[in-house]
Amino acid sequence: EAQVTQNPRYLITVTGKKLTVTCSQNMNHEYMSWYRQDPGLGLRQIYYSMNVEVTDKGDVPEGYKVSRKEKRNFPLILESPSPNQTSLYFCASSSNREQYFGPGTRLTVT
Amino acid sequence: AQKVTQAQTEISVVEKEDVTLDCVYETRDTTYYLFWYKQPPSGELVFLIRRNSFDEQNEISGRYSWNFQKSTSSFNFTITASQVVDSAVYFCALSKPGGTSYGKLTFGQGTILTVHP
Repeated sequence: EAQVTQNPRYLITVTGKKLTVTCSQNMNHEYMSWYRQDPGLGLRQIYYSMNVEVTDKGDVPEGYKVSRKEKRNFPLILESPSPNQTSLYFCASSSNREQYFGPGTRLTVT
Repeated sequence: AQKVTQAQTEISVVEKEDVTLDCVYETRDTTYYLFWYKQPPSGELVFLIRRNSFDEQNEISGRYSWNFQKSTSSFNFTITASQVVDSAVYFCALSKPGGTSYGKLTFGQGTILTVHP
């Protein structure tokens, strides 16, 4: 079954404590990306990756890092989280014909 | 730059009413894709439809129908005989195939639909 998995699904943390949200896909897609969803703003792209070791900034990259060491994995790293990064995060994996989203990670930074 | 506008922030209807969710988009590309996603209270994004810019035929899937009008840059979504289970946030999105943008979706702000029994 084609799927995108994210972990954790829920996370409450404190300002400044580094965290990583993992994302994995089993469809051998080259393109993966991260979005954040905020009320009234829809979803906005944070970072994307065209392939292994190829990443680039999306629309709202500040405060985030990513890496793509393997095709299937695309972790999102918050080195020093701040309260304005409290949001719902989605990982996505796509080919030129289809797009799949993970189940979402709800992050709260206090 | 691409932009998607969903002017209706919230819509409230009574069960069995028909409801139309509006979506207007802006793009300079001649080839693009349009999407609708549903986000139920559980939070996941459920894919509803993808439409190629060259295909202006309207589509119907059960109680759902989509009206794509290139002349007005609109891709509206109608739910016929709404049900309580249709209550969700609905997102319209736009993507540009090819190049570094081919996987990127530009989303509208979302429309919260509440269907009352």
